[in-house]
Amino acid sequence: GQNIDQPTEMTATEGAIVQINCTYQTSGFNGLFWYQQHAGEAPTFLSYNVLDGLEEKGRFSSFLSRSKGYSYLLLKELQMKDSASYLCAVRDPPYKLSFGAGTTVTVRA
Amino acid sequence: DVKVTQSSRYLVKRTGEKVFLECVQDMDHENMFWYRQDPGLGLRLIYFSYDVKMKEKGDIPEGYSVSREKKERFSLILESASTNQTSMYLCASTISRETEAFFGQGTRLTVV
Repeated sequence: GQNIDQPTEMTATEGAIVQINCTYQTSGFNGLFWYQQHAGEAPTFLSYNVLDGLEEKGRFSSFLSRSKGYSYLLLKELQMKDSASYLCAVRDPPYKLSFGAGTTVTVRA
Repeated sequence: DVKVTQSSRYLVKRTGEKVFLECVQDMDHENMFWYRQDPGLGLRLIYFSYDVKMKEKGDIPEGYSVSREKKERFSLILESASTNQTSMYLCASTISRETEAFFGQGTRLTVV
């Protein structure tokens, strides 16, 4: 099975940087995803890592270390609209996709 | 754009009723999933399907069943609804096992 841990809440100031960590213990691994979910809405895809290293996409970056069972999502130049829950998900081969409980990020002016 | 549509945004059902939640995707996706989302617990996988008529249990299948008679449609069935099944239910689909999931808008089910 999967055990996926991430912090419950984080608060940061507009314009700042926030790093959301995710650790996982898995019976198998075939990729790690990050999703954003605004209150009352469906999750939307942010990033995907299957190999070690950093993936950058505009203000958002995601990092993976498979040997450590560790990932982080980095949000730069925070904006008020970035206030949301951020979900870490791991694919357990071949099909199963399991999620952590999510990290609620609050951006303050 | 990929569209995943859940039949209802809000449902209120009585304890003991049989409840059907429907999900349809319009992009010929192979894999479909049902999750429930509860505060503090995140998304928990109930069932998933990787092909028509194929299904596998997720982490919390008790009290639920599923049906996938056509590729585009994946139904979640609560055989006898109970109050502890009050939750937000989210359907998702993926093109293949390597790609990201697309989610429906969710069905908030209240069992009274």
